[in-house]
This record gives sequence, C-alpha cells and structure tokens, in this order.
Amino acid sequence: TQLLEQSPQFLSIQEGENLTVYCNSSSVFSSLQWYRQEPGEGPVLLVTVVTGGEVKKLKRLTFQFGDARKDSSLHITAAQPGDTGLYLCAGAPETSGSRLTFGEGTQLTVNP
Amino acid sequence: NAGVTQTPKFQVLKTGQSMTLQCAQDMNHEYMSWYRQDPGMGLRLIHYSVGAGITDQGEVPNGYNVSRSTTEDFPLRLLSAAPSQTSVYFCASRDRPMYSEAFFGQGTRLTVV
Repeated sequence: TQLLEQSPQFLSIQEGENLTVYCNSSSVFSSLQWYRQEPGEGPVLLVTVVTGGEVKKLKRLTFQFGDARKDSSLHITAAQPGDTGLYLCAGAPETSGSRLTFGEGTQLTVNP
Repeated sequence: NAGVTQTPKFQVLKTGQSMTLQCAQDMNHEYMSWYRQDPGMGLRLIHYSVGAGITDQGEVPNGYNVSRSTTEDFPLRLLSAAPSQTSVYFCASRDRPMYSEAFFGQGTRLTVV
C-alpha cells in the first residue's frame, strides 16, 4: 500500500477542460510537493505547500494543502496540450524524518 | 550546471550479473536517494542517505546495496540481477530541510534478461 494515494491514475481530456488530481494519505505531512515528469526525464518540482489550508497558484495550476496536512489537490484550469505529463505528489511524513516518498502518479493527456 | 549526473543511461544485464549505477551531484546536498520507477507505481524509495557515511533502507531495499563515502557520490549496487529488477532508476539529491526541492538525474533504464 502506497503511503500517498493519487487519483485518478489516468486522465485523458480535451484542450480547454478543467481537471483536479488528488493526493491522499492517512499520515500527517510537514509539507507536500508536486512534481511533473516528461518521458525520458526525471521529475521536476512544480510547488511545495507547507501550511495546512495553504493555496498556491502557478499560472493555470492551483495547489491546495488540506487543513489537517494529510492531503493535497492540483487543479488545472483550461488545460492545454503542453500540460500533458505525469504528475506526482511527494512528501515526508512527520514520523519518518528524511524519507521523501511519492504517490503512484497521475498520467495526464490533453488532446488538441 | 551539472546538477545530478547518472551513468549509464541504458544497461542490459543477464540474470545473476552484478553492476553499479553511478550517481554524482555537485550541489553539496546532504540528502541523496535512489528510486525505481515501474509503470503505475510512481517512484519507490530503494535506499537513501542523509550525509557521508550514513545510509538507510527505503521501501524496496532487497537486492540492492549503497554506500556514501563522499558528499558528492552515491552509487547503487545490484548484487545479483534478477528480471524483477528491470526498471528505470532515478537518483535524487536535496538540501536538509524537508520542504527542499529534490533534483533528479535523467535516469538509468535497466533491463535484466
């Protein structure tokens, strides 16, 4: 069982649609991160959320950290083909110190 | 800027062979980690290190060894390769604070036949 559960695992949408990806856990995290990975490359950081209830915006992407610091969401407005990629949430539970663990990922495809 | 450098990029091994995947970072980061990525499984932590001379096991450590003799290098050794170790391997490094960004190498695609 993954410590961080992401849903959905796959998402295929049309250009212009909105979408939300979820990252859930039963553990409390001091911070959560979202990464994006392109084929043949390593993941690249999009954002880090640190405070419960925090909302961060990165252009058309909105990230939220749950009040209890056990979950996070990524919302994309008016998706574009360039948003296609694998989105991964990651974090280190407060009880595990330095172990950075990842969710299973959400493969997003935005069709023109 | 080199960042995190992994070698080789591709490797084919026969069952039972051993090999070392190399990872080097030039950012003076204390934390380094090895992950494997399989379809539908995200990134799973194999081993990690919080500084030179200190290593610990992650979620899937069996069949792998690591050492950290310097801050810069963190090699991953496969002792006796098995087909189940066919995967893409990523090395990552980051600074001490838990909210620090993890920087990844480009990955090593390993096939064990």
